[in-house]
Amino acid sequence: DVKVTQSSRYLVKRTGEKVFLECVQDMDHENMFWYRQDPGLGLRLIYFSYDVKMKEKGDIPEGYSVSREKKERFSLILESASTNQTSMYLCASSITGTNYGYTFGSGTRLTVV
Amino acid sequence: GQQLNQSPQSMFIQEGEDVSMNCTSSSIFNTWLWYKQDPGEGPVLLIALYKAGELTSNGRLTAQFGITRKDSFLNISASIPSDVGIYFCAGLPNDYKLSFGAGTTVTVRA
Repeated sequence: DVKVTQSSRYLVKRTGEKVFLECVQDMDHENMFWYRQDPGLGLRLIYFSYDVKMKEKGDIPEGYSVSREKKERFSLILESASTNQTSMYLCASSITGTNYGYTFGSGTRLTVV
Repeated sequence: GQQLNQSPQSMFIQEGEDVSMNCTSSSIFNTWLWYKQDPGEGPVLLIALYKAGELTSNGRLTAQFGITRKDSFLNISASIPSDVGIYFCAGLPNDYKLSFGAGTTVTVRA
């Protein structure tokens, strides 16, 4: 089975800190995605990447950046964390050219205080 | 990305009940997917539908791909307590980027 691993289940950071959320997938998927999930708002796409060193903005990229230096790893960066970035963050991956959907990680619950 | 219209937003289930939820879109999709998210976990794929009119089952779950390709529904028969969670529909157009519904939160009725 494809596994998508998010490095932390829970994180607490201070306002203004630089925060790195790491995601690794082990099945050679081309596409990787970062979502945030908030009650009543569903899953909102922050950034995605369809190849190494490639990135595309999603629906809510403000306040975030990403890095994809290797195919298996996709990092989400909060340059200066703010309290409104407290959320559940989900990473996902998929194969190009198929309709199998995404495989999600278990999520990182980030609290910014 | 386009948000799908998923309803109901939330529902309460009693053990043994059949429940249903659906998803509609203004656009045509080539694939419909249903995910379930347990509390504190990431969504997990339940059922994938690839053909208009297709009816697919996975245990007590049944899902259908609408004939118009703009809607899908999910039925859960004979609910059990572990059915609680958030159910998401997702549609895949011609590219690889899914559009998601806002989710249906299923809770056990006290």
